[in-house]
Amino acid sequence: DGGITQSPKYLFRKEGQNVTLSCEQNLNHDAMYWYRQDPGQGLRLIYYSQIVNDFQKGDIAEGYSVSREKKESFPLTVTSAQKNPTAFYLCASSIFSGSRTDTQYFGPGTRLTVL
Amino acid sequence: QKEVEQNSGPLSVPEGAIASLNCTYSDRGSQSFFWYRQYSGKSPELIMFIYSNGDKEDGRFTAQLNKASQYVSLLIRDSQPSDSATYLCAVNNYGQNFVFGPGTRLSVLP
Repeated sequence: DGGITQSPKYLFRKEGQNVTLSCEQNLNHDAMYWYRQDPGQGLRLIYYSQIVNDFQKGDIAEGYSVSREKKESFPLTVTSAQKNPTAFYLCASSIFSGSRTDTQYFGPGTRLTVL
Repeated sequence: QKEVEQNSGPLSVPEGAIASLNCTYSDRGSQSFFWYRQYSGKSPELIMFIYSNGDKEDGRFTAQLNKASQYVSLLIRDSQPSDSATYLCAVNNYGQNFVFGPGTRLSVLP
């Protein structure tokens, strides 16, 4: 059963704590993405990776870090430097062929709340 | 700054009517246009994409693209209460990242 999984579904963070959100895909997609969504807002790109061992900052990378050691996995760490991390975090993946039909598919999301 | 704009709504239509959702974009180099549906508390799911001028139909959904006017729309025929959701427009340029609009909230009234 192919797809994108994210865990945990809900996550609570204390002030000053780092937390890591998991994203795994078995679609054999080259590219993976992390987005942040705030209530009533669109999606903002945090980081993306088009190939293993390489990743690029998106529009709002400050306070976040990622790694891409395996094609299937793209974990996101929310560090204590991120001052307002409460949001819905979405992981996506896509084939990266440079074609007009390259489409992003989303995981179920992780809702992070700062206590 | 590449921008994608959508009317935030809510757009309310009666059950059985046609819902029309609109999206404009600023980057003339944009090549592909995607519509996603997002239910409250859930992740976006792809409805359809379009990359040629004109209409593209998929079941009750029709995407319309006018590159000269930098305008893409989504029509939902025979709207159902289950279509009530937020609809996100996304724009892509070959090999570059998607740019998402803020979404339009649609409410279909029984």
